[in-house]
Amino acid sequence: DVKVTQSSRYLVKRTGEKVFLECVQDMDHENMFWYRQDPGLGLRLIYFSYDVKMKEKGDIPEGYSVSREKKERFSLILESASTNQTSMYLCASRPYRASNEKLFFGSGTQLSVL
Amino acid sequence: SQQGEEDPQALSIQEGENATMNCSYKTSINNLQWYRQNSGRGLVHLILIRSNEREKHSGRLRVTLDTSKKSSSLLITASRAADTASYFCATANAGNNRKLIWGLGTSLAVNP
Repeated sequence: DVKVTQSSRYLVKRTGEKVFLECVQDMDHENMFWYRQDPGLGLRLIYFSYDVKMKEKGDIPEGYSVSREKKERFSLILESASTNQTSMYLCASRPYRASNEKLFFGSGTQLSVL
Repeated sequence: SQQGEEDPQALSIQEGENATMNCSYKTSINNLQWYRQNSGRGLVHLILIRSNEREKHSGRLRVTLDTSKKSSSLLITASRAADTASYFCATANAGNNRKLIWGLGTSLAVNP
């Protein structure tokens, strides 16, 4: 089975800190995604990456950046964390063959920014 | 942007009963997917139905798709306490296969 691993289940950071959320998948998937999930707002796409060094903004990229230097790893960076970035962050991956393939999700990182 | 809308928002049933959740969407799709999320965890893919399919089964799950009404339903038969979770639909739109459009989910509680 595909495994998508997010580095932390829970993370507490202070306002203004630079935060790195790491995601690693072990099935050689080209596509990787970062979502945030908030009550009443559902899943919102922050960024996605088609392949190494390729990235595209999702619906809510403001305040975030990403890095994809290796195929298996997709990092989400909060340059200067703010309280409104307190959320559940979910990483997902899938093979290149467009949206006819299901997404594989990590277990999520619950980030609290104080 | 959210396209899928699940209803009901919350559902509470007894073990052994069937649970039905509905999803409506607005634009033409290539496929529709259902996912489950246990509390505080990641999402797990349950089933994918393509736009040219009308019904699909997987174990105790049955999914239907009515493209004329732009709606889908997920039926869980003989529910168990372990089915307690949130269920989300997601659509892959015709013309833009890259991003899934997510609904807000149905929270299902199965009482023992």
